Amino acid sequence: DAGVTQSPTHLIKTRGQQVTLRCSPKSGHDTVSWYQQALGQGPQFIFQYYEEEERQRGNFPDRFSGHQFPNYSSELNVNALLLGDSALYLCASSRGGQETQYFGPGTRLLVL
Amino acid sequence: QKEVEQDPGPLSVPEGAIVSLNCTYSNSAFQYFMWYRQYSRKGPELLMYTYSSGNKEDGRFTAQVDKSSKYISLFIRDSQPSDSATYLCAMSTTGNQFYFGTGTSLTVIP
Repeated sequence: DAGVTQSPTHLIKTRGQQVTLRCSPKSGHDTVSWYQQALGQGPQFIFQYYEEEERQRGNFPDRFSGHQFPNYSSELNVNALLLGDSALYLCASSRGGQETQYFGPGTRLLVL
Repeated sequence: QKEVEQDPGPLSVPEGAIVSLNCTYSNSAFQYFMWYRQYSRKGPELLMYTYSSGNKEDGRFTAQVDKSSKYISLFIRDSQPSDSATYLCAMSTTGNQFYFGTGTSLTVIP
């Protein structure tokens, strides 16, 4: 049973660029949440997608956007990258209506 | 004031010790409580899930929730070197958006 997968594993960008991160949920899961984890901090909730709609959003600017596809996979897009966007980006999946979230290995983004 | 407070440690214990990890929170509406383990440069791994108050046990791990004190704990019995990791608490009102602590770094010394 495949767990949550994310790609790429590492990424280096420069300020002002745009980035797209991808996530495939655990088999049988239909809900995807994205988190940002800065070094030495706990994950911060960005948003959650369910049935291809953004269901809930954390305190992140509109530069952060997402999408969910019919196969439940998801993308996180970040525009106009800032140095402060450097972090580990985590995707977590769950089954709609259930609270247990399982995390992927993350994508480590470095903005120079 | 942060939603969730967690002592970052680091915590160092000898192998076989009982470890106690704790978080406090300010939002009395939290009712879903999780503990995750995160190894260096990896994603968090779910350890324990508790709904509302009470205790839950799974092998060497016990999770406790005291909603009256807004305090949750994770106990690890017979700690092993493989338990060395960062432990994150997380909690939610709806089960969708989770608020995490900063994590406690634990080292178990053989």
